[in-house]
Amino acid sequence: DIQMTQSPSSLSASVGDRVTITCQASQDIGNYLNWYQQKPGKAPKVLIYGASNLETGVPSRFSGSGSGTDFTFTISSLQPEDIATYYCQQYEILPLTFGGGTKVEIK
Amino acid sequence: EVQLVESGGGLVQPGGSLRLSCAASRFTLSDHYMDWVRQAPGKGLEWVGRTRNKGNSYTTEYAASVKDRFTISRDDSKNSLYLRMNSLKTEDSAVYYCASLYCTTTTCFNYWGQGTLVTVSS
Repeated sequence: DIQMTQSPSSLSASVGDRVTITCQASQDIGNYLNWYQQKPGKAPKVLIYGASNLETGVPSRFSGSGSGTDFTFTISSLQPEDIATYYCQQYEILPLTFGGGTKVEIK
Repeated sequence: EVQLVESGGGLVQPGGSLRLSCAASRFTLSDHYMDWVRQAPGKGLEWVGRTRNKGNSYTTEYAASVKDRFTISRDDSKNSLYLRMNSLKTEDSAVYYCASLYCTTTTCFNYWGQGTLVTVSS
């Protein structure tokens, strides 16, 4: 199975800050990577697919980059409504596997 | 908009069985790959299994942790997906999401239900 190592596991930042989360795959997954946002009690919502493609309707302050084994997710200017847990997920091969999550809080 | 609604969760004893259902609306289930994903309380996301679409003969794949205990099936006439869970263990306690998670590098069909809670406890 492909292991997805996500860091940090949590972070605290101020409104307007730039926030960066990284995800490392245990083997080459090309661009087959999604980023999700999950708010408490809700299902995950895809924000980025194909490592860098913004899902329709998602604000442009969210972005993704990377390929192969190393990926980055960025919130360019953190907003109060961005408080959530974020997950990466590879879909290059089954089983689909997720990173451990990053809980983002407001400082 | 695509809607997925799960039902059938509840409290079950270890060793017991449960069947979850997922009703799909505003899309044709048989055209799509369908997945089950679970999330234990306070934990991360774990993929459970997948059934491919009609064009791929509805073949199924499972996570090692549930293989030979869980079975995914469909009823296209009801546009519904099912997860039969046997020999349940306490570690199977989780919110179970029905989802359609088929993406390429240029397109993404990614929809989730609201989840149904399964608690395995004596």
